[in-house]
Amino acid sequence: GQNIDQPTEMTATEGAIVQINCTYQTSGFNGLFWYQQHAGEAPTFLSYNVLDGLEEKGRFSSFLSRSKGYSYLLLKELQMKDSASYLCAAMDSNYQLIWGAGTKLIIKP
Amino acid sequence: ETGVTQTPRHLVMGMTNKKSLKCEQHLGHNAMYWYKQSAKKPLELMFVYNFKEQTENNSVPSRFSPECPNSSHLFLHLHTLQPEDSALYLCASSKEGGEGQYEQFFGPGTRLTVL
Repeated sequence: GQNIDQPTEMTATEGAIVQINCTYQTSGFNGLFWYQQHAGEAPTFLSYNVLDGLEEKGRFSSFLSRSKGYSYLLLKELQMKDSASYLCAAMDSNYQLIWGAGTKLIIKP
Repeated sequence: ETGVTQTPRHLVMGMTNKKSLKCEQHLGHNAMYWYKQSAKKPLELMFVYNFKEQTENNSVPSRFSPECPNSSHLFLHLHTLQPEDSALYLCASSKEGGEGQYEQFFGPGTRLTVL
């Protein structure tokens, strides 16, 4: 079956770095998405990886290893506004997104 | 108005009521989606419309009935729902729903409570 695993909750300190991991098993693979969702709001797109390696976008970076079925989202210089849920989603061979349950990130001062 | 809008934002209904959720996208996209989001569960894809044609129906009960009159509007008609249908219903759109790795843009959702 198809499956996405990511931690349920993580806690980090303002100004620090945090890495949110995601492992996936899908029928075929057409890329890995990360979304951010603040409580009560819509998910918003953060990144897309389809090739192995690291993609950097400001304070946020996303990494993909296709051979390991593994991705991570790296958040640097954490700010209080980064407190949110982070959703990992893999696109399968039918171009359908398979979603993880999300990682709730709590930032402490 | 920009992005993806959804109305109503909150809805409380009884099990015998009939109501509709509305979604509108102002992004010029051709694909629209309905998702169900329950607490601590992955997003569940319900329906996909690509160029107004339904291309996915992920075994959704018939008490949920989608309608896509054009590429900018999407409805979800609800009738005789069950309490377990209480959830956040999210609408999304993307450039296309076929062979393209385009990100999906989400609306703010409708928080539905079935009594």
